[in-house]
Amino acid sequence: GESVGLHLPTLSVQEGDNSIINCAYSNSASDYFIWYKQESGKGPQFIIDIRSNMDKRQGQRVTVLLNKTVKHLSLQIAATQPGDSAVYFCAEIWMDSSYKLIFGSGTRLLVRP
Amino acid sequence: SQTIHQWPATLVQPVGSPLSLECTVEGTSNPNLYWYRQAAGRGLQLLFYSVGIGQISSEVPQNLSASRPQDRQFILSSKKLLLSDSGFYLCAWSVPILQGMQGYTFGSGTRLTVV
Repeated sequence: GESVGLHLPTLSVQEGDNSIINCAYSNSASDYFIWYKQESGKGPQFIIDIRSNMDKRQGQRVTVLLNKTVKHLSLQIAATQPGDSAVYFCAEIWMDSSYKLIFGSGTRLLVRP
Repeated sequence: SQTIHQWPATLVQPVGSPLSLECTVEGTSNPNLYWYRQAAGRGLQLLFYSVGIGQISSEVPQNLSASRPQDRQFILSSKKLLLSDSGFYLCAWSVPILQGMQGYTFGSGTRLTVV
């Protein structure tokens, strides 16, 4: 099933601190995961992805951790900036012919100046 | 380059009126296409997906329908809108980029308000 219908939880952090956003996914057969950032009124923007054969992947200021045992993803943002304020979603890919993206419930990140 | 066009950006429609939202993609062929809806302050819910022309799969029972008359065209429709159809509608497409990986691109969205 899909994790929808929940009001978004909010994470408030001080500018310059590190942020950790967590996500639980539903399909143990999912092989590929993506983190998206969504700003108000816009579509989701790709941040970073990870395959199931990895447990960690780093990008610029962002790190994704994957724990398949407990079906958990996290996104770590280093030195959080005001421009990081947005809603963050994890998404899992169903590895059948549909390749549909199933989104998690999302977290709103607010960065305090 | 690969682009996705979605229109209109905003739409206000009365209850009971029909709906047609269009999405077209450029720079790729035979993509998988998707329609998502996002209610205010909530996550993205997959409504329909299509793996080819004329092939539509529905994810949730609802008042909407989808069609794919051409390879790079995906249309979301309703014969009679309900208040609950209000939301932010996003079109997306995906194509393989590497072994076992898909590249996804989202449109800019249509904000629909049913009054």
